[in-house]
This record gives sequence, structure tokens and C-alpha cells, in this order.
Amino acid sequence: EAQVTQNPRYLITVTGKKLTVTCSQNMNHEYMSWYRQDPGLGLRQIYYSMNVEVTDKGDVPEGYKVSRKEKRNFPLILESPSPNQTSLYFCASTPAGRSSYNEQFFGPGTRLTVL
Amino acid sequence: EDQVTQSPEALRLQEGESSSLNCSYTVSGLRGLFWYRQDPGKGPEFLFTLYSAGEEKEKERLKATLTKKESFLHITAPKPEDSATYLCAATDTGRRALTFGSGTRLQVQP
Repeated sequence: EAQVTQNPRYLITVTGKKLTVTCSQNMNHEYMSWYRQDPGLGLRQIYYSMNVEVTDKGDVPEGYKVSRKEKRNFPLILESPSPNQTSLYFCASTPAGRSSYNEQFFGPGTRLTVL
Repeated sequence: EDQVTQSPEALRLQEGESSSLNCSYTVSGLRGLFWYRQDPGKGPEFLFTLYSAGEEKEKERLKATLTKKESFLHITAPKPEDSATYLCAATDTGRRALTFGSGTRLQVQP
């Protein structure tokens, strides 16, 4: 089954404790991205990657890191989480060609709470 | 700066009562306008992409249209299973990021 998976689905942590949210897709998509969703603000893009070893900032990259060492994986790293990073996070992927102009496939989401 | 605004924030319809959701956008050089559906606790699910003013796309009870300033998602004779949050997003020629609106939360009552 074609899908985007994220782990963990739920995470409660404390300020300053480094964490990684994993994202994996099995559709051989080149383009992957991370979003956060907050009430009243909608989905905002954090980082995206056009292909392996190619990443770029989205609209709200502060406090986040990403890496793209393999085509299928695109982990989101919070080096020192803060309470304002409490949010619902989504990973998405899409085939190349028209990259973000294409249909994006979203993962199920990771609900993160930073105390 | 790209902006996407959706209205209304919430809409309650009776089953069979047709209506429209609005998405107005301010994007320099629109490259694509997208509609997604999001159910509670799930990721957004793609519905449509529109590329140019005048374009229309349909899927079951849903029809999306696009003008130079806004897009509409028309829902004809909705059913309770159409209840969800509908998201609009846009991308322009200079960026690779999607800009999303805040969504319209639709509830269809039997």
C-alpha cells in the first residue's frame, strides 16, 4: 500500500530534550516536506526537500532541522524543543516533475507536546 | 507575501442542502490552487488542483472552480460523510512551498 508513515504518532516531552520525528514514504517520491498545523493558522511549511541531499527552508524553519540521506526518509529534528513547538506535525511527499504543484500525500500526523 | 483566506470558518448544512466554500488568494503568479479534505485525526487528502482561471474540476458531489482572485468548492446535495475540514492551498511561480488557508469546517446533518 502506497503511504507516508510517521513515528511517533504522539509525543510528550520536556523543554530542551532533543527529539526526532521520522517520516518514510514507499512511493519513490522525490519531493518531501514537513508542515505544522496550529489552530487558526492552518498548515505552515517548515522544510522541504527536492531530492536526496537537497533541502530548503519553508515558511517557519526556526528551531527545526532536517536531513535527506535516503530518498524514502525525511526526519524532522528538534535540537532543543520549546513549548511554542507544541503542534500537530505532518510529513508529505509528491513525485517530481512539477514538485509542489502535484498532489501531495500526507502522513497521519504526529502530535507533539513540549512541557 | 502569499496569502490564502477561507470562508466561512465553519458551515453547518442539512443533508441535501447545497452550498459553496470560498478561498480567496493573493499570490503573485499563481502556479496551482489546491483543495484538500481533512478528517479529524488524519492528514489532508488531496481533492483537486486548478491551474488557470476558468478551470473547473469535479469529483462526485464536489466541484472546484477558479477565478483570478478566488476559488470555490461547490458541494451539491451533501451527505453526512462529506463532513470534514476543507483546506485550500496555493503556490506561486517563485516558491516551492504551499501556502494553506485555515480551512472551512463543514458539518452535514442527516
